[in-house]
Amino acid sequence: AQSVTQLGSHVSVSEGALVLLRCNYSSSVPPYLFWYVQYPNQGLQLLLKYTSAATLVKGINGFEAEFKKSETSFHLTKPSAHMSDAAEYFCAVSEGFQKLVFGTGTRLLVSP
Amino acid sequence: DADVTQTPRNRITKTGKRIMLECSQTKGHDRMYWYRQDPGLGLQLIYYSFDVKDINKGEISDGYSVSRQAQAKFSLSLESAIPNQTALYFCATSEREGSTDTQYFGPGTRLTVL
Repeated sequence: AQSVTQLGSHVSVSEGALVLLRCNYSSSVPPYLFWYVQYPNQGLQLLLKYTSAATLVKGINGFEAEFKKSETSFHLTKPSAHMSDAAEYFCAVSEGFQKLVFGTGTRLLVSP
Repeated sequence: DADVTQTPRNRITKTGKRIMLECSQTKGHDRMYWYRQDPGLGLQLIYYSFDVKDINKGEISDGYSVSRQAQAKFSLSLESAIPNQTALYFCATSEREGSTDTQYFGPGTRLTVL
């Protein structure tokens, strides 16, 4: 069965600094990987997804993630944090047309 | 207008009461899902439905039931609410995009069971 591990329940960065949110997955078949963002009092919004077309995936709001099979990782990055990026971020994995399995989330805090 | 709507957005109820959470979508998707979110646990799947006649249990279905009234409507019921069902509940829909599904979420219902 597939699973996702997100290292760090909280990550703090300064505005303008690099954002790096870590996600490692476990899957018995080639995975499909997703990053979702949840702003306060809102539902989850899709940031980006990996479907094997390209290992570097660009998403909305300047975020991108790189699929590294050898490291079973799909870390989320953004070169320069903005205050509006403060939110909770969830990594998720699926195996084709099966249900999503979510990580426990990482809360990103951005200070001025 | 939002593509996936949930009603109510907030609900406070008492132990033992029956409660229904409703989800409607205008995206035309066949697949619908109910999740609960607890702090530090991420999202856990309660039930999912691949079409009107196909309903499946998720990881944590005990204490919950669902009804798929139409393609666009998927309701979650708590027959006898208990305090540990206090959580944030999300409905989602999905469609096939290439070789996988992509799920789209509603705004959530915050449920408190006293």
